[in-house]
Amino acid sequence: DQQVKQNSPSLSVQEGRISILNCDYTNSMFDYFLWYKKYPAEGPTFLISISSIKDKNEDGRFTVFLNKSAKHLSLHIVPSQPGDSAVYFCAASSNSGYALNFGKGTSLLVTP
Amino acid sequence: DGGITQSPKYLFRKEGQNVTLSCEQNLNHDAMYWYRQDPGQGLRLIYYSQIVNDFQKGDIAEGYSVSREKKESFPLTVTSAQKNPTAFYLCASSIDPGTGRIDGYTFGSGTRLTVV
Repeated sequence: DQQVKQNSPSLSVQEGRISILNCDYTNSMFDYFLWYKKYPAEGPTFLISISSIKDKNEDGRFTVFLNKSAKHLSLHIVPSQPGDSAVYFCAASSNSGYALNFGKGTSLLVTP
Repeated sequence: DGGITQSPKYLFRKEGQNVTLSCEQNLNHDAMYWYRQDPGQGLRLIYYSQIVNDFQKGDIAEGYSVSREKKESFPLTVTSAQKNPTAFYLCASSIDPGTGRIDGYTFGSGTRLTVV
């Protein structure tokens, strides 16, 4: 059963605009969330994370927002650049868990 | 530089044959993981190991086997019992066993396995 859900398989955004990638989770025990970026035929790379004690974490052009009551998080990329085109995975963990739970990913295309 | 190395990058296997995918890390990480990626399926956990000489089944362990004889190495064998082995396989490691809560996982570059 998918505990981390990324309901948008793909997203297309113009260069310079904001990209918003969404993620929902069902397990209320999750308290740490991460975003990974993946290019084709490569392993995912860590992008940004957030603990459940926060509702926002910012790193340069990337900001993650967490809404615990809605069990929802989002990744904002501002401004979007063509090099941001990749698959983005949302992941979650709990203190009692044994591994990260990943969503199915959202493929972002940033067009010039 | 520290990192995690998967080999080979591409692998072809005949039906009915076992094949072993290599994963080596020099990050001194305790925990290691194997994930499988299929189109539209995201990353699914096959096996994980939190410490040397110990490993546990993940969500889709059937048809796979692993060993963890050394901290640096976590090879995955895809056996003939795996019904649909064609996929992209990713190995990962983390500092803290189990959850990667400190700074997440470090992933290898993956192995593309194709059954012919």
